[in-house]
Amino acid sequence: GENVEQHPSTLSVQEGDSAVIKCTYSDSASNYFPWYKQELGKRPQLIIDIRSNVGEKKDQRIAVTLNKTAKHFSLHITETQPEDSAVYFCAASPAAGNKLTFGGGTRVLVKP
Amino acid sequence: GAGVSQTPSNKVTEKGKYVELRCDPISGHTALYWYRQSLGQGPEFLIYFQGTGAADDSGLPNDRFFAVRPEGSVSTLKIQRTERGDSAVYLCASSLTWTSGVYNEQFFGPGTRLTVL
Repeated sequence: GENVEQHPSTLSVQEGDSAVIKCTYSDSASNYFPWYKQELGKRPQLIIDIRSNVGEKKDQRIAVTLNKTAKHFSLHITETQPEDSAVYFCAASPAAGNKLTFGGGTRVLVKP
Repeated sequence: GAGVSQTPSNKVTEKGKYVELRCDPISGHTALYWYRQSLGQGPEFLIYFQGTGAADDSGLPNDRFFAVRPEGSVSTLKIQRTERGDSAVYLCASSLTWTSGVYNEQFFGPGTRLTVL
């Protein structure tokens, strides 16, 4: 089955700096890659997703890049703010069915 | 509109007991998923329903775990003979009907925190 690795496990950045989280996946059949943000004690919420037919997608301060050949994708947050502090999860979904395989998460701390 | 809801929010039980966890999906969402999230880890897939039927139950860890969705809306995850290792947050998610090549966002509920003493 699919295996998703996520790095780093923790990331501390100064407010205003950029944060980058990287994920690799194992199943070349995966075609959908969402990113979820989970604040302490709250439910995961989708912040951005990318499908295999595009290499990059941006939404204001966040962007995701996908390299299908290398089987890795990354989340970029620019101009970080204290409210960006949370745990971020990457995930991958196979072409057949819609179940998500999640990475282990990255705890991001934005220091004011 | 209302999001995915789950009850109870917390459940404490003793080893060996039976528990039921309930999920109310977003109205109109025919796909429903259960995940389990252990402390400090990402959610782990358990089972996926399309309508009333389980389309994929490959993530259920053993036969102590069972889930139903008899009317295609509310779902119940049932755990028999609970073990301490079952302690985790059980998350439910729902989405619009899955169709080939179309990936619809999964909306998560707040989870049920299960503690087995």
